[in-house]
Amino acid sequence: EVQLVESGGGLVKPGGSLRLSCAASGFSFTAAWMSWVRQAPGKGLEWVGRIRSRADGGTTEYATPVKDRFIISRDDSENTLYLQMNSLKIEDTAVYYCTPAVSRGDWGQGTLVTVSS
Amino acid sequence: QSVLTQPPSVSAAPGQKVTISCSGSSSNIGSDYVSWYQQLPGTAPKVLIYENDKRLSGIPDRFSGSKSGTSATLGITGLQTGDEADYYCGTWDRSLSAWVFGGGTKVTVL
Repeated sequence: EVQLVESGGGLVKPGGSLRLSCAASGFSFTAAWMSWVRQAPGKGLEWVGRIRSRADGGTTEYATPVKDRFIISRDDSENTLYLQMNSLKIEDTAVYYCTPAVSRGDWGQGTLVTVSS
Repeated sequence: QSVLTQPPSVSAAPGQKVTISCSGSSSNIGSDYVSWYQQLPGTAPKVLIYENDKRLSGIPDRFSGSKSGTSATLGITGLQTGDEADYYCGTWDRSLSAWVFGGGTKVTVL
């Protein structure tokens, strides 16, 4: 059974930083292209970015609103995905989900990030 | 403003059918597969349909997907109260090099 557990959310001031984690199990994490998707309160879904598997280069791609502020990384030895969020803005307030395949995979339950002064 | 356009809401009586449209362009729907997601109130989204018309394991055949040109459609037949949810379409956009979603459609069972 696929399990994805996001953690690390919380309240942070504008301009601050936060690192989210996604602990994965039940599938081949090493082979997966992992994505982060977020959802602001009462709003729709927004793709944040993805990281390819190490075999496919381990490179990353980001949505324009978070490019140069967020960094996605992975630790294949720990089956864990990370999202380092820097220079946080109020509009980054959202529930953040991880998924091994945004087109057809399971999603975690998400972790809430609130950016507020 | 979402890259993919969906109607904000659709509704029908129990047992009836609803369709949800998803309109895009040649750089997204026109050149890649479409997925459909269901988000029940207070829960995480889950994939219903992938690669335009393939149902994920466990998804009843009341749910169907199709694609034509730069548009896609999700159909739900035999509508049930448990189908009340927000539904989103999504696909890869080659111009943006990003996954894009529709704005979501709220399905209400009257």
